[in-house]
Amino acid sequence: GEQVEQRPPHLSVREGDSAFIICTYTDSATAYFYWYKQEPGAGLQLLMSVFSNVDRKEEQGLTVLLNKKDKRLSLNLTAAHPGDSAVYFCAVRVYGSSGNKLIFGIGTLLSVKP
Amino acid sequence: EAAVTQSPRSKVAVTGGKVTLSCHQTNNHDYMYWYRQDTGHGLRLIHYSYVADSTEKGDIPDGYKASRPSQENFSLILELASLSQTAVYFCASSDSGAHEQYFGPGTRLTVL
Repeated sequence: GEQVEQRPPHLSVREGDSAFIICTYTDSATAYFYWYKQEPGAGLQLLMSVFSNVDRKEEQGLTVLLNKKDKRLSLNLTAAHPGDSAVYFCAVRVYGSSGNKLIFGIGTLLSVKP
Repeated sequence: EAAVTQSPRSKVAVTGGKVTLSCHQTNNHDYMYWYRQDTGHGLRLIHYSYVADSTEKGDIPDGYKASRPSQENFSLILELASLSQTAVYFCASSDSGAHEQYFGPGTRLTVL
């Protein structure tokens, strides 16, 4: 079945720098991709969703790139600030006989230092 | 925005005891999910349901049961809790065919 690898597991940047997270997946038929943010002690919040017909999507300081040839999804936080410190997860949507589900990467703990 | 609540928020259980985690959503979503989160593993799907009175096995169902008595409620049951089930458990819901899953705040379970 689908497998998702995410790296790096930990990332520390200075305020104002960019933070870059990469995920790779294995199933070329995968069509829906997601980035979630988890703040300490909280559940996951959806940051951005991307369909496979999109190569690049930008929203509010976040840039998601999708390279279908290499089966690679990335998230770039431009000009990170301390409030961006959290765990970030990529996820892909897979379909089965009993409905659909998400497969998550292991997460990236991002620390943004002032 | 979808509201998903979980109870309890944290729990300490003894090995071999029974644990029930509850999830409630208020947005009429068809799908509900239970995940566990462990360091180094991200979130892994335990059970899910797309209609009341029916549940499906996820990727790691062993040692867990699920119950969906109504569209709004989805429970995760550990009949015989074990040390390896210490984790944070998240419930989520989504509309059928929708992209987004909405997550609850999580339940931290410690089995001693």
